[in-house]
Amino acid sequence: GAVVSQHPSWVICKSGTSVKIECRSLDFQATTMFWYRQFPKQSLMLMATSNEGSKATYEQGVEKDKFLINHASLTLSTLTVTSAHPEDSSFYICSASRQEYEQYFGPGTRLTVT
Amino acid sequence: QKEVEQNSGPLSVPEGAIASLNCTYSDRVSQSFFWYRQYSGKSPELIMSIYSNGDKEDGRFTAQLNKASQYVSLLIRDSQPSDSATYLCAVNQGYGNKLVFGAGTILRVKS
Repeated sequence: GAVVSQHPSWVICKSGTSVKIECRSLDFQATTMFWYRQFPKQSLMLMATSNEGSKATYEQGVEKDKFLINHASLTLSTLTVTSAHPEDSSFYICSASRQEYEQYFGPGTRLTVT
Repeated sequence: QKEVEQNSGPLSVPEGAIASLNCTYSDRVSQSFFWYRQYSGKSPELIMSIYSNGDKEDGRFTAQLNKASQYVSLLIRDSQPSDSATYLCAVNQGYGNKLVFGAGTILRVKS
């Protein structure tokens, strides 16, 4: 159990366009989902916490108007990177919380902005 | 002072040996502790969780927690080359569901 999927697994887009990433908990309901970003050889950086039916809570320094998060149901959260630029190229990973604060990670989405 | 500290490594151990990974945390109210394994280019995978003082064993893995010393460790017995990865220590400090991650320890198991 505790399977989390992400789609797409990788995406290449042009500078100025928007990209949507989906995160789904496949076999459990997740009241809370998290979005992380990881640059090469660096640690995970939490971007935002997403609760079903409410606005996401963004970490300090993360632009909420650039990284739009929607958590429409207990099994689906989406991250939209708006007006993407090359510096947004990174590995985006979602996680879902099931119980006792355990977080299960999706496989990640590698975004390249050209 | 970082909230969750790990030695970055790399920690090199021969195949079949015990690998010992350590983590300290700064917030005494922390309640839940986790170890994740992350292979290069992949996302983290939960391998152990521990909530009370003492040892918790799962197969070749043993997590150890000492809240008085604010210390959590992970032992990997009979280390295999496939255990080579970055191991992340994560702590829930009791303020909501967020986890605070350490920077990770790189483990290399040499055959």
